[in-house]
Amino acid sequence: RKEVEQDPGPFNVPEGATVAFNCTYSNSASQSFFWYRQDCRKEPKLLMSVYSSGNEDGRFTAQLNRASQYISLLIRDSKLSDSATYLCVAHNAGNMLTFGGGTRLMVKP
Amino acid sequence: NAGVMQNPRHLVRRRGQEARLRCSPMKGHSHVYWYRQLPEEGLKFMVYLQKENIIDESGMPKERFSAEFPKEGPSILRIQQVVRGDSAAYFCASSPLVGSGRDYTDTQYFGPGTRLTVL
Repeated sequence: RKEVEQDPGPFNVPEGATVAFNCTYSNSASQSFFWYRQDCRKEPKLLMSVYSSGNEDGRFTAQLNRASQYISLLIRDSKLSDSATYLCVAHNAGNMLTFGGGTRLMVKP
Repeated sequence: NAGVMQNPRHLVRRRGQEARLRCSPMKGHSHVYWYRQLPEEGLKFMVYLQKENIIDESGMPKERFSAEFPKEGPSILRIQQVVRGDSAAYFCASSPLVGSGRDYTDTQYFGPGTRLTVL
């Protein structure tokens, strides 16, 4: 079993839709979590950090459920520019990041 | 404030040659991490360094791969006697020693990567 698991998608949604991604993690000692987005053949860019129960930044909301060991990302009012792969990431003791395989989002006009 | 810098952006090597990848962390960051992304796969941790110290190399293959972060100059990831399976994108990330504002010590910022192709 992978340490961080995500549905690979793709999620195909129309502009303006709300879309949610889930991610589960197996290491209960993971200390903090992040969502990064990665465009094709580019580097991961930090989208949000999740330290406690959740975080909101504009159209993006991340939630953390430690009891169930899952993290979610909600994107409201999807834009064409939101099309990317979204990476769920756990930060573990020792400072290394463990990445999920990513969820691909395609926003269509 | 320049971000994480990596060079070269693209590197082509023939089997058996050496590849040297360089990474300069963001200004004020003293922690450097190397990750590898194989085609159609997720990023995998390789090594974590601070100046003149390897902190964790648990993700590094035991042979042919080495990394350093000297007192002066960039961090170097070195791959000796490359094979076709080494073809991948190699990303470097950095984080600060002391957190400030929204920049926590566990937040890592990535460079643009070096795409290594082994012929």
